[in-house]
Amino acid sequence: GAGVSQSPSNKVTEKGKDVELRCDPISGHTALYWYRQSLGQGLEFLIYFQGNSAPDKSGLPSDRFSAERTGGSVSTLTIQRTQQEDSAVYLCASSLGQRSPFETQYFGPGTRLLVL
Amino acid sequence: SQQGEEDPQALSIQEGENATMNCSYKTSINNLQWYRQNSGRGLVHLILIRSNEREKHSGRLRVTLDTSKKSSSLLITASRAADTASYFCATDEPYNFNKFYFGSGTKLNVKP
Repeated sequence: GAGVSQSPSNKVTEKGKDVELRCDPISGHTALYWYRQSLGQGLEFLIYFQGNSAPDKSGLPSDRFSAERTGGSVSTLTIQRTQQEDSAVYLCASSLGQRSPFETQYFGPGTRLLVL
Repeated sequence: SQQGEEDPQALSIQEGENATMNCSYKTSINNLQWYRQNSGRGLVHLILIRSNEREKHSGRLRVTLDTSKKSSSLLITASRAADTASYFCATDEPYNFNKFYFGSGTKLNVKP
């Protein structure tokens, strides 16, 4: 596609429910990132996928958070037993993944999650 | 942590004026990037400056980097109302350059 797409755009859920957020990276990009941005704050790194390598999960805040990347393309971020503090905008980004220090990340529009 | 910190947190100027935002970071880097975010949505890459560069220009944007002070500045000249957005710096690490650290951003408001 022309850019990174994310779905849904907005998600309202009740505390305790599970949610799945989807990211479609730019075709051909092997690196994919998930970030979380709380209201008025900066981006918090969550997880990074690079090709077939084991993902860097060091930013996941708890074991309620997990992510998959199937076939090296689409990624799903799952939050189990959502809490109100999970409310944030979840941003996905992709890059070429050439392991160069000078790569640019391309961001999707984000999913705004509200946990009631 | 490597996370950059932008200063000021918020900046309000009149159209036509210049806007300067600063970013400080903690450890050595390969590069520093500036991104723009409109209305809390996706970020757009503006400019990248390498650790061996001191200044870079792109249109109305001018970025400087001082690795001895671990700081960078973004200057937007002749600002326009359309420049109203949040601006973030992002840094990497020398041996983990696919992991980026973003600051908390500067919220710029350009009044027409």
